[in-house]
Amino acid sequence: QKEVEQDPGPLSVPEGAIVSLNCTYSNSAFQYFMWYRQYSRKGPELLMYTYSSGNKEDGRFTAQVDKSSKYISLFIRDSQPSDSATYLCAMNRGRSSGGSNYKLTFGKGTLLTVNP
Amino acid sequence: NAGVTQTPKFRILKIGQSMTLQCAQDMNHNYMYWYRQDPGMGLKLIYYSVGAGITDKGEVPNGYNVSRSTTEDFPLRLELAAPSQTSVYFCASEGSRHYNSPLHFGNGTRLTVT
Repeated sequence: QKEVEQDPGPLSVPEGAIVSLNCTYSNSAFQYFMWYRQYSRKGPELLMYTYSSGNKEDGRFTAQVDKSSKYISLFIRDSQPSDSATYLCAMNRGRSSGGSNYKLTFGKGTLLTVNP
Repeated sequence: NAGVTQTPKFRILKIGQSMTLQCAQDMNHNYMYWYRQDPGMGLKLIYYSVGAGITDKGEVPNGYNVSRSTTEDFPLRLELAAPSQTSVYFCASEGSRHYNSPLHFGNGTRLTVT
């Protein structure tokens, strides 16, 4: 079983739709969960970050973490054509006290297209 | 601020050739990383560094080498290029030991080995 599973899509929605992007994971030691957005031919950029279970909202974006189900989600409300990008989930256990064991595990990414 | 700068943007290599992918950051970040991204495969960590003079292997280090002589620069060396190294390579940096500090990525080097 892969550590992080993410449906690669592609996902195509009309402008204004609510988008749900999801990842599942197998390692119960993961505590920190992130969503990165990657536009075509660019590097990823951090979109949302959550620690442990719960919800976090930032404008049109909501990140949810359910550690009991090992399932994380990113919701985009009122989606815009500018949201068209690849969305990568990422997670880790956090660093050791020595700071040398950092390891971020990425999902494969979901390609989202929002049509005007 | 330029952030993380990667050069070259594109490169085509023949099998067996060598090259160095350059990465520089101007944010005085201690942590730097090299990832490769293959279609449909996500990002895989090749090497990372926690500071000048300190490097360590990531998930897929075979066929690559790195050095970190300064805080700003973290070059990735490919020796004896193979078709399996065709990929998009991303360099990233991170400035804090806080768990929620973001990775700052460059825009990648697209490498084809034929």
